[in-house]
Amino acid sequence: SQTIHQWPATLVQPVGSPLSLECTVEGTSNPNLYWYRQAAGRGLQLLFYSVGIGQISSEVPQNLSASRPQDRQFILSSKKLLLSDSGFYLCAWSEGASGGRGTQYFGPGTRLLVL
Amino acid sequence: AQKVTQAQTEISVVEKEDVTLDCVYETRDTTYYLFWYKQPPSGELVFLIRRNSFDEQNEISGRYSWNFQKSTSSFNFTITASQVVDSAVYFCALSHNINAGNMLTFGGGTRLMVKP
Repeated sequence: SQTIHQWPATLVQPVGSPLSLECTVEGTSNPNLYWYRQAAGRGLQLLFYSVGIGQISSEVPQNLSASRPQDRQFILSSKKLLLSDSGFYLCAWSEGASGGRGTQYFGPGTRLLVL
Repeated sequence: AQKVTQAQTEISVVEKEDVTLDCVYETRDTTYYLFWYKQPPSGELVFLIRRNSFDEQNEISGRYSWNFQKSTSSFNFTITASQVVDSAVYFCALSHNINAGNMLTFGGGTRLMVKP
C-alpha cells in the first residue's frame, strides 16, 4: 500500500531564516505531487505541483520554491521566511497520468510558525 | 473557471442528529470528478469519496451518504446519527486536468461540531 510522509511535523522559525520541508511517498511510481498551504481557519491553497522529476509548476507567486530531486520526493523551500508564511503545509500525491479522476492522498502535514 | 462553494462555514448539532453538508460547484468540463475530504483536529485530510460526473447514483457508506445532482450542480453529504468523532472540517472538491496534472479545486470547508 502507499504511504506519504512529511517532516518535520512542527517547526518554529524566526523571520528571515531558511526553510526546507520534505515529503516522500512510498509504494507507487511516478506520482503527481502537490504542496498546499492552509492558513489558520482557512481553506487550502495550492502552492506547487509536479508531474515528474524536475518538473515543477507554481500556482502562487511568493518567496517559496519547490523541487523534486527524486521520483517520490518533493521539497518545499524558502531562502528567507516571512511572517505570512506561517501555516499548515500539506503534501499530497495522486496516480500519475490519470487525467482528472485522480484522487489526491494527503500527508500528515507540517505546522510552521514564523516568529 | 472551476469553483466550489460550501455555503455553510460552521454547523453545530447534538449527537445522534442527522446533518447535511452542502456543496455546489461550477465547471465547463463535461467529464469531472467530485470529492469529499474530512479534516479532523489532527490536520490530515482524509479522503472519503470520489464521484464520476456520469454516475448520479446516490451512495451510502454506513452512516455517510452522498447525493449528487447534476441538474443543480450539487454534491451534498449527509451524516446520519452523528457522533462526536464526526467533528471535523469537511471539504468538497472538484477535479480538472491541466498539463497532465490532475488538479483539485477545493471549497472553503464546513466545520462540523457534534456535541454530546
